[in-house]
Amino acid sequence: AQKITQTQPGMFVQEKEAVTLDCTYDTSDPSYGLFWYKQPSSGEMIFLIYQGSYDQQNATEGRYSLNFQKARKSANLVISASQLGDSAMYFCACSGSARQLTFGSGTQLTVLP
Amino acid sequence: DTGVSQNPRHKITKRGQNVTFRCDPISEHNRLYWYRQTLGQGPEFLTYFQNEAQLEKSRLLSDRFSAERPKGSFSTLEIQRTEQGDSAMYLCASSSISPNTGELFFGEGSRLTVL
Repeated sequence: AQKITQTQPGMFVQEKEAVTLDCTYDTSDPSYGLFWYKQPSSGEMIFLIYQGSYDQQNATEGRYSLNFQKARKSANLVISASQLGDSAMYFCACSGSARQLTFGSGTQLTVLP
Repeated sequence: DTGVSQNPRHKITKRGQNVTFRCDPISEHNRLYWYRQTLGQGPEFLTYFQNEAQLEKSRLLSDRFSAERPKGSFSTLEIQRTEQGDSAMYLCASSSISPNTGELFFGEGSRLTVL
């Protein structure tokens, strides 16, 4: 079984600045995937970025990057040049031998003008 | 490709009534998932289908819950004798590959309110 811990219930960032959202995970599976999803107030879960446990390099997707530190079991999301539209709930998730994702409790990000 | 479609988007019902939600996955996706999300929490896994076979069920899925995917395409989630604790967002997701190698595509969810 996997466990995801997101210790920041809420975060504030100034527009155009970078922000890091923390995520630690616990899994006994040798192979797993780490995901970040964005959920705006409309409710839809929007995929942002994926990191495989055997990937050597940190994943990047546009303004999103995943800071993967395997030994520390952390998978922090970095958003560069924040925009007002980035204000949303952000969820970290992990997959493993179970054929589904386990989600954390989320971080509410607010981007200030 | 119109994405994952769920309906109804909102359902208000009285305690004790039955409700059914429908999910239409992305057409070529053989994997389909149901999740439940309560306010302020992350989604919690309910059940998983590969084609028409229901391969995994969470203990959250009590006897009052039943899910089907009769022809390996759309899926339904039925809740019988609803309780106030069933009030939540019910999310459907689909994929064509293992979650260990790629993303799940989510629908916009069906929000249930039990009065």
